[in-house]
Amino acid sequence: DTAVSQTPKYLVTQMGNDKSIKCEQNLGHDTMYWYKQDSKKFLKIMFSYNNKELIINETVPNRFSPKSPDKAHLNLHINSLELGDSAVYFCASSQGRALRDSRQYFGPGTRLTVT
Amino acid sequence: GQSLEQPSEVTAVEGAIVQINCTYQTSGFYGLSWYQQHDGGAPTFLSYNGLDGLEETGRFSSFLSRSDSYGYLLLQELQMKDSASYFCAVRDRYSGAGSYQLTFGKGTKLSVIP
Repeated sequence: DTAVSQTPKYLVTQMGNDKSIKCEQNLGHDTMYWYKQDSKKFLKIMFSYNNKELIINETVPNRFSPKSPDKAHLNLHINSLELGDSAVYFCASSQGRALRDSRQYFGPGTRLTVT
Repeated sequence: GQSLEQPSEVTAVEGAIVQINCTYQTSGFYGLSWYQQHDGGAPTFLSYNGLDGLEETGRFSSFLSRSDSYGYLLLQELQMKDSASYFCAVRDRYSGAGSYQLTFGKGTKLSVIP
């Protein structure tokens, strides 16, 4: 019973391509997130949705576009991929955005390699 | 802006105790969390301190002093499987919305040796 799942786990693609990563959570959580972890393991928030509403939108190139069709799903589409986009992308969820709901549950990650 | 400082690497012996410190500078502080991440794995939640003091969960304890902007994670009876990266993360308010976000430190790589 996977709590937060992501597909694909690995993604190798060429510069200039467009790709999508999908995320689903079966925890009944209201809030979902996308994080980027670079080669130095620095983990940085990119986006967050609460009940399909975008609530956090960090300084990210507009080539990255999140979409949340429902509160259990949060997808990430990346246009015109660049070498610097190579990283591990983690999806996460939490019960809500209220203070008490601080624990986040992470998916297994998608390792994106741009060649 | 926010900044968190934690040691980049720590090595300890199996069965020993290790403490990983975290100092932070942030506006609107709402708590300190700790996450564990094994190589190739996902971050997993270990603990959360919203108030000053010690929180204990089995072999792991976490401490927070808000007046010192400081916290630590204490791992006791170290096991080989504890070799992983440990991240402190500050919960602060995201500007422009009634939301909170986690800002992560750069992680401490713990190596447990026999």
